[in-house]
Amino acid sequence: AQRVTQPEKLLSVFKGAPVELKCNYSYSGSPELFWYVQYSRQRLQLLLRHISRESIKGFTADLNKGETSFHLKKPFAQEEDSAMYYCALGGAQGGSEKLVFGKGTKLTVNP
Amino acid sequence: NAGVMQNPRHLVRRRGQEARLRCSPMKGHSHVYWYRQLPEEGLKFMVYLQKENIIDESGMPKERFSAEFPKEGPSILRIQQVVRGDSAAYFCASSPTLSSYEQYFGPGTRLTVT
Repeated sequence: AQRVTQPEKLLSVFKGAPVELKCNYSYSGSPELFWYVQYSRQRLQLLLRHISRESIKGFTADLNKGETSFHLKKPFAQEEDSAMYYCALGGAQGGSEKLVFGKGTKLTVNP
Repeated sequence: NAGVMQNPRHLVRRRGQEARLRCSPMKGHSHVYWYRQLPEEGLKFMVYLQKENIIDESGMPKERFSAEFPKEGPSILRIQQVVRGDSAAYFCASSPTLSSYEQYFGPGTRLTVT
């Protein structure tokens, strides 16, 4: 069964500190991993996806198949990074490309 | 491009009533996904539709829930005889192709059953 685990419900850091949001997944096939972000009173939006290997807003995430992890990292957190972050697993499952989401981590960056 | 539109944004229903949630995909998108988010939970897949077809409804409860995406007009998620446990945020996402990479989400409809 496909599953995404985000072990931290809440994460609080100070501005300028490094931040890592953890994500582990369970999937028997070749996974497609994503990070979505939801800022206060805004809709869910794609932050980054593993296949593009890009850095968005200073965030990066590396897919580690050995550890089945896709942790999100940023070396210097900013106050505007405060938001809900969801890790998601995609890929063709049963004829559709539905996403399986973790429960989310609420990141608070304190001044 | 206005993005994915959902209405209403907030819906209050008494137990036993029907709830109708609408989703207008982005222009040019013919794939629609519905997700439900219960309190303190992540989004959970419900159903995937293309125009006039239900492709995957593996996440839909067996009773009281139905979805459609007609040739013209928005996609509709219908919940009959609502119960308190149906209270949740319902999100719609649209995609131009069959691809996880390009799912664009609407703002959601928050359903409260009293």
